[in-house]
Amino acid sequence: DIQMTQSPSSLSASVGDRVTITCQASQDISDYLNWYQQKPGKAPKLLIYDASNLEAGVTSRFSGSGSGTDFIFTISSLQPEDIATYFCQQYDNLPLTFGGGTKVEIK
Amino acid sequence: HVQLQESGPGLVKPSETLSLTCTVSGGSISSYYWSWIRQPPGKGLEWIGYILYSGSTNYNPSLQSRVTISADTSKNQVSLKLRSVTAADTAVYYCARYGGHSEGAFDVWGQGTVVTVAS
Repeated sequence: DIQMTQSPSSLSASVGDRVTITCQASQDISDYLNWYQQKPGKAPKLLIYDASNLEAGVTSRFSGSGSGTDFIFTISSLQPEDIATYFCQQYDNLPLTFGGGTKVEIK
Repeated sequence: HVQLQESGPGLVKPSETLSLTCTVSGGSISSYYWSWIRQPPGKGLEWIGYILYSGSTNYNPSLQSRVTISADTSKNQVSLKLRSVTAADTAVYYCARYGGHSEGAFDVWGQGTVVTVAS
């Protein structure tokens, strides 16, 4: 199985801060990487697909980059409604696997 | 737009079979893959498996011996059966569309249903 390692597992930042989350794959997955946002008690929501493509209707504050084994998810200016847990997911190989998640809080 | 709704018992006894149904509205299941994903309390996401409307399936090897996913195109439903459950199977179970407009992403999700395994 491809292991997806996210860091940090949690972070606290101020409104307006730039926030960066990393996801590392245990092997080369090209750009077969997606990012999701999950708010408490809700289902995950697709934000970024194929490493860097913004899902329709998702705010442009969110962006993704990377390829191979190292990927970055960025919130350009943290807003209160961005409080959530963020997950990466690879689809290069079965089984499909997710990162452990990064919980984002407001300082 | 496509909506998914999971349903089924919220409590299952150990060693019994967990059975859930995902009803798809606003679109046909006769396209795309339909997947089950679970999330134990306070933990991350685990992919269980997926099915293509034609019946072709693929399962997570960690659960393969206990899982069956099926599709009923006449009812526009996808079902999950997980046999011989233990407390470790307690989780929120989600159904999701896989490979919609993005090849490898889960782009539409149900709200999830909580399943507790306990006697």
